[in-house]
Amino acid sequence: QSALTQPPSASGSPGQSVTISCTGTSSDVGGYNYVSWYQQHPGKAPKLMIYEVSKRPSGVPDRFSGSKSGNTASLTVSGLQAEDEADYYCSSYAGSNYVFGTGTKVIVL
Amino acid sequence: EVQLVESGGGLVQPGRSLRLSCAASGFTFDDYAMHWVRQAPGEGLDWVSGISWNSGSIGYADSVKGRFTISRDNAKNSLYLQMNSLRAEDTALYYCAKGRREMAFDIWGQGTMVTVSS
Repeated sequence: QSALTQPPSASGSPGQSVTISCTGTSSDVGGYNYVSWYQQHPGKAPKLMIYEVSKRPSGVPDRFSGSKSGNTASLTVSGLQAEDEADYYCSSYAGSNYVFGTGTKVIVL
Repeated sequence: EVQLVESGGGLVQPGRSLRLSCAASGFTFDDYAMHWVRQAPGEGLDWVSGISWNSGSIGYADSVKGRFTISRDNAKNSLYLQMNSLRAEDTALYYCAKGRREMAFDIWGQGTMVTVSS
C-alpha cells in the first residue's frame, strides 16, 4: 500500500493550464478505472473534483479534467484562477483498499 | 443538506483506546459505503478503513489492521471507528467520508483530531 507518486508542486499564471501527474502500479491506477482527484484548501476538508478517471461531479467547473494512461493518471486545470490555488490529491481503488497520492500544491503565480 | 459530523477525538496516551463517531444526515445512509480517512499534521491523506452499506464488506489499511475496527448502525445513521493500541503515528485529523458507487469519496466531514501522546 505505497502512496501514489505526485510532484510536490506545480504552478502557472492566471489563465494558463497546469497538469498534475499521479503514478501508481498495475495493482492500483493501472488496474482499475477508479481514479479520483481531490482539492483541499488550507484548514478545509477535501473536495471531490474528478471520479472514475475523467468524470466531474455536478458543480465542478469544466476547467478541471482527468485522464489516464497505463499506471499514470493526470489532472489538468485549464484557465487557472486564483481560487484554484490549493493542494490536490489523487486516489485509486486497489482491490480491497484505497491509496492516496502524496499530494501536489498548485500555486497560481 | 448533506452533512457528516465527526466526534470523539481527543488526547490519549499510547496504548489506550478511543472511539470515533460520525453522524450522517441529508442522504439515505444505508445506500452507501462509508470510510475513514486521516491526515497527520502537515501531511497527506491516508485511507484508514471502509465499510459497505450492509457491513458485509470491510477493509483496513495495513497500518491499522488488527488494532482498529470500523462499524455502522444504519438505524442511527452513524459510522464508528474503534481504535485500540493507539500509537504516536496515529496522531491525525480523522475524516468521515461517504463512498460513491464509483469508488470515490464525495462527501467529507470536517474531521475530529486524535492526538496520541504521553
